[in-house]
Amino acid sequence: NAGVTQTPKFQVLKTGQSMTLQCAQDMNHEYMSWYRQDPGMGLRLIHYSVGAGITDQGEVPNGYNVSRSTTEDFPLRLLSAAPSQTSVYFCASSYSYFNQPQHFGDGTRLSIL
Amino acid sequence: QQQVKQSPQSLIVQKGGISIINCAYENTAFDYFPWYQQFPGKGPALLIAIRPDVSEKKEGRFTISFNKSAKQFSLHIMDSQPGDSATYFCAAQETSGSRLTFGEGTQLTVNP
Repeated sequence: NAGVTQTPKFQVLKTGQSMTLQCAQDMNHEYMSWYRQDPGMGLRLIHYSVGAGITDQGEVPNGYNVSRSTTEDFPLRLLSAAPSQTSVYFCASSYSYFNQPQHFGDGTRLSIL
Repeated sequence: QQQVKQSPQSLIVQKGGISIINCAYENTAFDYFPWYQQFPGKGPALLIAIRPDVSEKKEGRFTISFNKSAKQFSLHIMDSQPGDSATYFCAAQETSGSRLTFGEGTQLTVNP
């Protein structure tokens, strides 16, 4: 099992560009989520999904879009990149949302110039 | 608004010493408290977790202490080793909710 796979590992964008961060898991997990990690702020939830076709907003959803068409994939879209979105992005999955350990990918390091 | 506050931000400990990281929360509906460990360039990984029906949970050198009345919980790493050097995050979750709220993180350095 590969676990949670995130691509790309690094990306540099210009302000205003759009892009999609990919996340795939092969553990048949129902729950998937996206976090951003910034120094001194821990991990903040952007969007999450409790199953295919169901998504909801987290703590910091503005400027991001998600969809969940399959159990395996949960892409995160930046609609119009801004410097404030420079961060490390982590995708996570778990068997369910309730008291289950979340399995994280190794992150995408994104810089917006 | 940070619902889970973690301290210290950074911690330096000598090999063999005890590392202590503290977290405090406001939301009394939180009832699941995991700790995650993150090495550079990697995603966080679950280390140990506790529910409020117990005051302490121990797994090897790692112990969580939980004080429900004070709304505080802490991670103790006994006999700290250089390999324990990492960033540690506490977190909290409601049974009825689907969001895991993280603390700010503590960067632990264990000197040989």
